[in-house]
This record gives sequence, structure tokens and C-alpha cells, in this order.
Amino acid sequence: RKEVEQDPGPFNVPEGATVAFNCTYSNSASQSFFWYRQDCRKEPKLLMSVYSSGNEDGRFTAQLNRASQYISLLIRDSKLSDSATYLCAVNTRGGGTSGTYKYIFGTGTRLKVLA
Amino acid sequence: DVKVTQSSRYLVKRTGEKVFLECVQDMDHENMFWYRQDPGLGLRLIYFSYDVKMKEKGDIPEGYSVSREKKERFSLILESASTNQTSMYLCASRVGSYNSPLHFGNGTRLTVT
Repeated sequence: RKEVEQDPGPFNVPEGATVAFNCTYSNSASQSFFWYRQDCRKEPKLLMSVYSSGNEDGRFTAQLNRASQYISLLIRDSKLSDSATYLCAVNTRGGGTSGTYKYIFGTGTRLKVLA
Repeated sequence: DVKVTQSSRYLVKRTGEKVFLECVQDMDHENMFWYRQDPGLGLRLIYFSYDVKMKEKGDIPEGYSVSREKKERFSLILESASTNQTSMYLCASRVGSYNSPLHFGNGTRLTVT
């Protein structure tokens, strides 16, 4: 089982629709969680961090469910410009001498918003 | 805004060449990372560094080495490039607290022929 899993999609939705993605993680000791947006052939860009109580940024809402070990991203009133791949990232304490936290990424969910 | 700069956007190298990928960040971040991204496999961690002259192996370090002589610069070295190292390489940095996000450079698309 992968450490972080996402449905690859694509999710094809009409403009104005609401769409939700989930991301499951296997390590219950994971500490922090993020959503990134990646456009074709570009680098991932931070969309939002995910907080335990849930958080909202405009049309985007992120939630964390520690009991079931998943995070979610909800996009309301989808725009054409929201078309991209959405990556989740989970921060877990790594091994090695430093004990530094390691980021594990899902393979991404592709969203296409249709006119 | 955090700025992470990778020295080359596109590179074409021959099998067996030694390849250097450079990454510089301007935010005094402690931690720096090198990932490669391949279709269907997502982002995979090659190496990371939590401080100057410190480094740790990620999930796929074979065939790679790294150097961090200054805090702002993290170099990835392909000792002898092979065709299976053709990929998108992404550098990232962050402050050294557990809940801070990664900030990525714009990537280097490396082709090894």
C-alpha cells in the first residue's frame, strides 16, 4: 500500500460545479498536511495547509480526518482556471540521524473544468 | 515571496556524463530537498539536507549525490548519467519547523541520451 494515495482522475466538471478530492495516508504519526496545485510541466505550488479544525481560503476548503486518515479538498464554483493536477502532501517524521520530517506526496488528482 | 531558483530549465546530457543541478533559495531556509517527478510515479525524494554540510538519503538516492556547502545552495550530482535518470528534477526548501510547507523551484527537465 502506498503511503499517500489519491484518485488520479481525471475529474471532468462543468464550470460552477463543486468538486471534492480525497487523499488517504497510512502513517498515523503524520504531523502536517498540505495541498499543492501543479499545472502541466510546471512546479507544484502551495495551495493551502490543512489544519485539524478545517480551513477555508476563498472557494477552497480543506479538511483533515485523523481517525480515518484522510484529507480532503473542496472547490466550490469551479473556474476554467482551476484545471490542474492537485497533489496532497503529508509530513511524517523520517528516519536517519536527523529525524527530520519527510514530505510524502500523492501522485495527484487531475481536474478539468469544462466550459 | 520565497524564491527557489534552479539553474537550468532544460538540460540534455549524454550517457556517462557527470551532471550538476544547482538550486539556490533566498529565504535562509534550513531544509532543502531534491525530488524527481515521473508520470505515474509522482514526486520521489532523492536526498535532503537539514543544514549546511548535512545530508540524508531519501527514497531513491542510488546514482545521485548532493552537496550543501552554503545554506542557500543545494546541488544534485548525477555521477554518471544514465537514460533512466531522464526526468523532471525539482528542488524545494522550507524553514526548519515541522509544519512548514515546501516551496519548489521551477524544475529542471533533464534528458539523458
